[in-house]
Amino acid sequence: EPEVTQTPSHQVTQMGQEVILRCVPISNHLYFYWYRQILGQKVEFLVSFYNNEISEKSEIFDDQFSVERPDGSNFTLKIRSTKLEDSAMYFCASSENGGKNSPLHFGNGTRLTVT
Amino acid sequence: SQKIEQNSEALNIQEGKTATLTCNYTNYSPAYLQWYRQDPGRGPVFLLLIRENEKEKRKERLKVTFDTTLKQSLFHITASQPADSATYLCAPLGFGNEKLTFGTGTRLTIIP
Repeated sequence: EPEVTQTPSHQVTQMGQEVILRCVPISNHLYFYWYRQILGQKVEFLVSFYNNEISEKSEIFDDQFSVERPDGSNFTLKIRSTKLEDSAMYFCASSENGGKNSPLHFGNGTRLTVT
Repeated sequence: SQKIEQNSEALNIQEGKTATLTCNYTNYSPAYLQWYRQDPGRGPVFLLLIRENEKEKRKERLKVTFDTTLKQSLFHITASQPADSATYLCAPLGFGNEKLTFGTGTRLTIIP
């Protein structure tokens, strides 16, 4: 069964550095998402992406964050000037039909540790 | 503001019994509601989707109900097994809305 893959599985970075988290969504899916889960807390929406542009973003997704689909397969989340509080699991997801009546398929996440 | 509440952070159920998890929402009029399972250190996995005009949906040992009057969804696992132990997340979704917002989740433990 096709799946969403994320790399790396674990990323350690120093405060102030930039990181890029990578995702390969399921190939025929049109909607892409990033979610974040701080340890022990709920899964929080960051951003949705459709037709090569951001369709919705949360308050968390400020100027520090950006997303890109540089080619036909990858979907990336860039975090500039990382802060300690950015430490979390970051999940990428994709869906065929925007989640309205089709499920989101999640990757297994990248654990980001900012020291 | 919109709020999603799931019953008690943790629920312990004896193996073989039915586990019932609750999802209450306020300031929402969802057209759909989805349930996911999350194991530690893994991404959520889709289980079931129910539409506002459906009262009940079943899949194997799973059953979901959706009461738009009570603003509540119930998630049942019958003949529960230790392998059902996980955190279960509900996510209501409105028309024209693409983003899925999750509840806090209920951590279910099935005791052998």
